[in-house]
Amino acid sequence: AQTVTQSQPEMSVQEAETVTLSCTYDTSENNYYLFWYKQPPSRQMILVIRQEAYKQQNATENRFSVNFQKAAKSFSLKISDSQLGDTAMYFCAFMQYNNNDMRFGAGTRLTVKP
Amino acid sequence: DVKVTQSSRYLVKRTGEKVFLECVQDMDHENMFWYRQDPGLGLRLIYFSYDVKMKEKGDIPEGYSVSREKKERFSLILESASTNQTSMYLCASTPGGIETSGGDGTDTQYFGPGTRLTVL
Repeated sequence: AQTVTQSQPEMSVQEAETVTLSCTYDTSENNYYLFWYKQPPSRQMILVIRQEAYKQQNATENRFSVNFQKAAKSFSLKISDSQLGDTAMYFCAFMQYNNNDMRFGAGTRLTVKP
Repeated sequence: DVKVTQSSRYLVKRTGEKVFLECVQDMDHENMFWYRQDPGLGLRLIYFSYDVKMKEKGDIPEGYSVSREKKERFSLILESASTNQTSMYLCASTPGGIETSGGDGTDTQYFGPGTRLTVL
């Protein structure tokens, strides 16, 4: 079974600084998708960024980028120029290709300090 | 924008009560999911449905059942609520059918706001 591990339960960063959230996963599959979801306090969970495993190029979305290391089964999220609105729980998730069963990590609570 | 709504943000029930949590999506999505979210455990899948009247067990289905009579609505039922079912419940939906999750983004899950259930 696939597992997703987020080893940092809590992190903090100063506004405008850069922070990296770690995620590792375990799978024997070759085709899959990886996601980072953000859950702001008392608000809905939303997708931040997604990565297809067959793509070598790391996904980017504005200030958010990933470092996808397929061989190491690592999928970290980098947030540049952190903003107060980035304060949230961040979940890393894995989904096997053609299978709607999504696996989530335990989450990292990120606090951006002014 | 996709909208996924849940019937209640907060709910307090007593042990032994039958509890219904409702989820509605307005984008004609095929797949719908129920998760529970607990600190340190992330999200765990309870049940999912890939079509009307179809359901599949997730990782932790015990003590729960589901109903999907209409495509847009997916209900989670706690037959006899217990204190260990106190949790945050999240509903989600995805556009694609079960055969079509792939690189076109149909796998992206859209979440509702969650229902925080307390069982006393």
